[in-house]
Amino acid sequence: EAGVAQSPRYKIIEKRQSVAFWCNPISGHATLYWYQQILGQGPKLLIQFQNNGVVDDSQLPKDRFSAERLKGVDSTLKIQPAKLEDSAVYLCASSSTQGATVGAFFGQGTRLTVV
Amino acid sequence: AQTVTQSQPEMSVQEAETVTLSCTYDTSESDYYLFWYKQPPSRQMILVIRQEAYKQQNATENRFSVNFQKAAKSFSLKISDSQLGDAAMYFCAYQRGGSQGNLIFGKGTKLSVKP
Repeated sequence: EAGVAQSPRYKIIEKRQSVAFWCNPISGHATLYWYQQILGQGPKLLIQFQNNGVVDDSQLPKDRFSAERLKGVDSTLKIQPAKLEDSAVYLCASSSTQGATVGAFFGQGTRLTVV
Repeated sequence: AQTVTQSQPEMSVQEAETVTLSCTYDTSESDYYLFWYKQPPSRQMILVIRQEAYKQQNATENRFSVNFQKAAKSFSLKISDSQLGDAAMYFCAYQRGGSQGNLIFGKGTKLSVKP
């Protein structure tokens, strides 16, 4: 079974530019998460989808971050315009409807550097 | 709000020996799940072990076991017969039960394994 796929693996952009990250969850997983992990910290939830609906986006900086999950499968996270403090690893994870009992499965993440 | 605390930023263990990583959490809920994730330099979060709060029996997965003290809100990870490949960041995570709650992570413990 294929795992969670993310691209790109690395991205370097200048501040005020825009960037987009893509995630393909494990097949059949209804729940998809985007986490931001700043160096030296644990991951922090940005947004959680259940199928194509948003469950929790309370910590998403909506003035610059946006995310969508069309058709309840793939998801895209966008930052526009980027700030220096957005430099972090962006992790995508997915879980099934029974996910609470088995935890979430993570992709390899995208390391974003804003210069 | 739920919080997860890992008080050991770094730990070191000799190969083949045993090490225990500490985690405490705060919640007012009775139904929840606890996890330990491993994050090697490749950045991918790997689920190591999980514990359902309603189960009194401590979870075990090969060389990994937990000491779950529900009243004390403590959830430590014991790694026996440590191997060089165990070197990584370890994150403790909490997820409320029932609906698809998101994972709340601690700040992590960096484990080094000495040959």
